[in-house]
Amino acid sequence: AQKVTQAQTEISVVEKEDVTLDCVYETRDTTYYLFWYKQPPSGELVFLIRRNSFDEQNEISGRYSWNFQKSTSSFNFTITASQVVDSAVYFCALSDLFTGANNLFFGTGTRLTVIP
Amino acid sequence: GAGVSQSPRYKVAKRGQDVALRCDPISGHVSLFWYQQALGQGPEFLTYFQNEAQLDKSGLPSDRFFAERPEGSVSTLKIQRTQQEDSAVYLCASSLSVSTDTQYFGPGTRLTVL
Repeated sequence: AQKVTQAQTEISVVEKEDVTLDCVYETRDTTYYLFWYKQPPSGELVFLIRRNSFDEQNEISGRYSWNFQKSTSSFNFTITASQVVDSAVYFCALSDLFTGANNLFFGTGTRLTVIP
Repeated sequence: GAGVSQSPRYKVAKRGQDVALRCDPISGHVSLFWYQQALGQGPEFLTYFQNEAQLDKSGLPSDRFFAERPEGSVSTLKIQRTQQEDSAVYLCASSLSVSTDTQYFGPGTRLTVL
C-alpha cells in the first residue's frame, strides 16, 4: 500500500539558516508522482513542485531545492537562507496508478518555524 | 476567478444539522477533488469528479456524505446529520485534465460541529 512518512513533526530554525524537510514514500507502482505543498497559517495549500518517478534530476528554484532518490524512496526538500515567510506546514504527497492516480496521498506534514 | 474558491470559509453547525459546502474550481479545469483535513493531520481524499461524473467516492466516510457536480463546474459537498467527528477543514482542489495533473487547492471550509 502507498504511504508517505514525514518523520519531522516540527522544526525551528533561526532566520538565514538552511533547513531540510524529509519525505519517505512507499508505493507498489513504478509510475508515480511526488509533490510538495506549503500550507501557511491562512490554510490554503500552495503547490511547490511535482516530479514523476522517471525523472530523478534534482531541482532548484530560487532558495528551494529538491533531492529525489529512488534508491532510498526519498524526496527531500531544502530551503536555503530561510526567511520568516517560510514559516508554514509543509506536506509531501504521492499519487500513483495503484490508487487510480485519482487522489493525492499526503504525509502528516512538518511544521517549520523560522525565528527572526 | 484566478484560483479555486470555497464558501463558506467557516461554518458552525449543531449536531444533527445538514450542511452544504461549495467549491468553484479554476475555470476550465476538468477534474475536481474533495479532501478532509483533521487538525494536525494531512488532507485525506474524499471524492473525485471528472466533469460531472463522480469517478471515485471511496474516501467518503459514511453515507451521510454526498457530493455532486451537476454541470461539470461548481461542486457541492453535503453532510447530513452532522456529528462532532465531522469537524475538520474541507479542501477542494481542481486540475486541468486527467487526474495526475497538478492539483490546485482552495482555502478550505472550516466546519465545526457543536
